[in-house]
Amino acid sequence: GAGVSQSPRYKVAKRGQDVALRCDPISGHVSLFWYQQALGQGPEFLTYFQNEAQLDKSGLPSDRFFAERPEGSVSTLKIQRTQQEDSAVYLCASSLEKVTEAFFGQGTRLTVV
Amino acid sequence: AQSVTQLGSHVSVSEGALVLLRCNYSSSVPPYLFWYVQYPNQGLQLLLKYTSAATLVKGINGFEAEFKKSETSFHLTKPSAHMSDAAEYFCAVSVPRYSSASKIIFGSGTRLSIRP
Repeated sequence: GAGVSQSPRYKVAKRGQDVALRCDPISGHVSLFWYQQALGQGPEFLTYFQNEAQLDKSGLPSDRFFAERPEGSVSTLKIQRTQQEDSAVYLCASSLEKVTEAFFGQGTRLTVV
Repeated sequence: AQSVTQLGSHVSVSEGALVLLRCNYSSSVPPYLFWYVQYPNQGLQLLLKYTSAATLVKGINGFEAEFKKSETSFHLTKPSAHMSDAAEYFCAVSVPRYSSASKIIFGSGTRLSIRP
């Protein structure tokens, strides 16, 4: 596709439910990033992939958060046993080899009730 | 570690007036700097970027920013505000690496409102 695509756009989960958020990066982009954006805040870094390798996961808030990119293209962010504080917009971005310009998707708005 | 501070969570200007959004950065090495814009329920769109070339950077929609190392600043300006400029603006920093990409660190954002 022409841009970064994220699905679903909106997700409502009951507390304790597991969720999976998908990101389709721009074709050929080596780098892929996940960010969490709470209401009224700037995006907070979660994790970074170069191809299929997860090079930085220092921003993942707990072991309930897990990300993968098995074939170096599509990525999935999984949140287990969701809690209310997980409610946020999750943004995915991709770029060519170095971050001189990262392209963002429209995000997935997760609401945990 | 790198960080950015955006001064003013909300800025309001009249249509046609100068827009000035302030950003100061902290980095132990020469950084890359960015300004992104976010419209409601949308992702982030790159306005402009500084990557160690010219210190005055021109971006889309008439915006520009000047990198001032002595002041550790990267303020965003536009000579004449338009109603369509109303949005959230984020300043961001990253550290260039030769072997891989580097995470982008964002500020907390400045909401720009335009008065008719």
